[in-house]
Order: sequence, then structure tokens, then C-alpha cells
Amino acid sequence: QKEVEQNSGPLSVPEGAIASLNCTYSDRGSQSFFWYRQYSGKSPELIMFIYSNGDKEDGRFTAQLNKASQYVSLLIRDSQPSDSATYLCAVYTGNQFYFGTGTSLTVIP
Amino acid sequence: DAGVTQSPTHLIKTRGQHVTLRCSPISGHKSVSWYQQVLGQGPQFIFQYYEKEERGRGNFPDRFSARQFPNYSSELNVNALLLGDSALYLCASTPFWGRDEQYFGPGTRLTVT
Repeated sequence: QKEVEQNSGPLSVPEGAIASLNCTYSDRGSQSFFWYRQYSGKSPELIMFIYSNGDKEDGRFTAQLNKASQYVSLLIRDSQPSDSATYLCAVYTGNQFYFGTGTSLTVIP
Repeated sequence: DAGVTQSPTHLIKTRGQHVTLRCSPISGHKSVSWYQQVLGQGPQFIFQYYEKEERGRGNFPDRFSARQFPNYSSELNVNALLLGDSALYLCASTPFWGRDEQYFGPGTRLTVT
């Protein structure tokens, strides 16, 4: 079982819609959770991080964490074509960081 | 403020050679982590350093080593290069160590022939 699992996609949504990205993790002791966006050929860019159960909002982005279900998600409201990228979920377990393989998102104009 | 810087940008090496990659963190950040990213995969954690000490290590062979300097910059060394070491090597900067958010540099693209 992988430490962090994401659907690879591709996920396509029309411009203006809500994109929902999901991630599960295996280590119940995980302490912090991150979402990164990565454009092709570029390095990952931090979007959100969350430590506690519940929701955290930043502009058009909302991260949701459910530690009981070992589940973290990212919602992107009013999706724009510039949001088209690969979204990486990452988890810190106390001594290591683990990344998922990423979900490819395409926002269709 | 300058972000994370890495050098060189690209590098081509031959199997069996040694390589050194360099990273300077964001000003004021004291922790640096190294990752390997192969095409189509997420970054894989190699090391985390804080205050010149190793604070975390991923599942990489002993051919991989790193160190952090008093100015918080860092080097990643890879010995006896294999074709499979070809990847994008990413450095990430964190204010402290542990669970804090990480900011990535542009990466070094290593090709082993």
C-alpha cells in the first residue's frame, strides 16, 4: 500500500466549475498535509497546507482534512484554464514527507 | 525576497561518475530538504536537514549523501551514478524542521548516460 494515494486522472472540468481533488494516506500518525500545483516542466508550487481536522480556505481554494478517514481533499472554485496542471498531495509523518503521484486537471474554456 | 535557488540547472553525467548539486534556501529559513522526481511520479523524499543535522532520511541507497552549511545552504552528493538516477532533483526550504510548509526551488535536471 502506498503511503499517499491519488487518482491520476485526468480530471476535466469546464471553466467556472468546482474541481474536486482527493487524496488518502496510510499513516495515522501523519501530522501535516499539503497541496502543491505543478505545471509541466516546472517545480511544485505550494497551494495550501492544513494541520487540523476541518476546512481551511484561501481564496478560491479549500482544503479539507478528515483524520478519522485518513482523507484530504482540495476544492478549486471558479476553475480557470490557468488552473490546468498536476496537483500533488503530500503528507508529513513525523520523519518523512510522502507525495502522491498527482492528479492531472484540465479546465476547459 | 529571493526564493530557493539551485545550481546547476541542467547536468549531464556518465554512469559511475559523481555529482554535487547545490541549494540555497529562502532567507531566514533554516531547513532544507532534497527530493528526486522522475517523470510521471511525485517527488520522493531523500533527506531533510536542519541546523546542519540530518533530521529525516528517505529510502535511498548510501550513494546519496548531503550536508548543510552554517549559512543553511546545502549540497546533495550522489556517487557511482546509475542510469536510474536520471531525474529532476528538487530542493525545498522550510522555516524550521518537521511539519512546516515547504517551498521548492526550480530543480536540477540530471541526465545520466
